[in-house]
Order: sequence, then C-alpha cells, then structure tokens
Amino acid sequence: GAVVSQHPSWVICKSGTSVKIECRSLDFQATTMFWYRQFPKQSLMLMATSNEGSKATYEQGVEKDKFLINHASLTLSTLTVTSAHPEDSSFYICSASYGLAGYNEQFFGPGTRLTVL
Amino acid sequence: TQLLEQSPQFLSIQEGENLTVYCNSSSVFSSLQWYRQEPGEGPVLLVTVVTGGEVKKLKRLTFQFGDARKDSSLHITAAQPGDTGLYLCAGETSYDKVIFGPGTSLSVIP
Repeated sequence: GAVVSQHPSWVICKSGTSVKIECRSLDFQATTMFWYRQFPKQSLMLMATSNEGSKATYEQGVEKDKFLINHASLTLSTLTVTSAHPEDSSFYICSASYGLAGYNEQFFGPGTRLTVL
Repeated sequence: TQLLEQSPQFLSIQEGENLTVYCNSSSVFSSLQWYRQEPGEGPVLLVTVVTGGEVKKLKRLTFQFGDARKDSSLHITAAQPGDTGLYLCAGETSYDKVIFGPGTSLSVIP
C-alpha cells in the first residue's frame, strides 16, 4: 500500500517552454501532497505543500508564478514549471501524506528528472 | 530556525561491518521518520518512531528515538551492498511541519 506515482519520469525541454509533472496516490487518498526539489548528492528541498481544493503554500524563495501547483483531487497534484530555464534543471519529487494515526508519514513518488536545454 | 543535522555526511565501509548514523536537533519532534533513497529514485520510508526512548528493528536495521525526542540513531549490523544509499531522517514538528536532515550517503563495498 501507499504507492505514489509520478509522470513523466524524465523530460528534456527547450528553454522557455512549460513542463507539467503529475503526482498520483494510487491506493490511498492523500490529505496533503508535497513537492520537493533535489540537487545531486543533496537532501530534499521543500518547494510547496498543497491540500486538495485549496491554494498551495509555497516555501520562502520559491516563485509561485514559476512553479504552478494544482491539487485537483485527493489523488492528483500537478506541478507546472513555466518558462523553464536551464537553472530549473533538477530532480523533482512529490510525496503524499494521509495523516495516519496522528502523524504524517510521507510516501514519495519515484521522481522526475527535468533537463532544460 | 529549526535544523536537523545528520552525521556522518558520507560513509564508506566494507561489507560485513557495522555502522551507526545519527540525526540530531535542538527541537522536539512529535514523530521522526527514516528514509532510504537510491540514486535516481524517490525516498522509501523505513520506519517511524513516535515515543521517546523507542527502539524499532527492521531486520539488520535498529532505529532509536532519543528520550527527549530531539535525536535519533540508525544502526546497521553486517552491512551489505544493498544497503548503499542516501539515508534521510525527517522530523515532524508540533506545527505539523516536516523537516529533513541533509542525509548520510552510505556506500558498502563488496
């Protein structure tokens, strides 16, 4: 149980284009979904937290107009990187939580490798 | 600013050796998770500890939560190459916010 999928697993795009990444909880309803960015050999950097039907909460320094998050249902959240530039190239990972037993374990997707040329 | 530290940052050991990874903070956590991440993949949840002093075992892995719920350790007995990966601890604060440590990169050499 507690499986999270991401699509696509990797994407290469030209500078200036927009890229959408999907995150789905396959066998549970997620009260909250999280989006992270990870650079090589570094830990996870939280970008934003989203709850179904409400606006995402962005971490300080993360541009909300650049990284658009839509949490349309309890099983789907999307991250759109708008007007992507080479510095946006990174490993993007989502996670989902359903607040079991009063604490929030996060179940992670496999990640999406974005390369902007 | 709440901070979670991990040590060591990097660890390279021979197969069969034992090792301990530490996760420390000045903050109190309502729960703490340990994850393992392999290159190019998402982190996988290993364990959640909730009670101060709690010890949990997962095969050759032993997890301990500090009495004050500010620190935790992960001990691996007889490490195997399959244990190689990035180990991340994550603490849940009283504000339902989860903060991740910087990770410990473990390499087990056959």
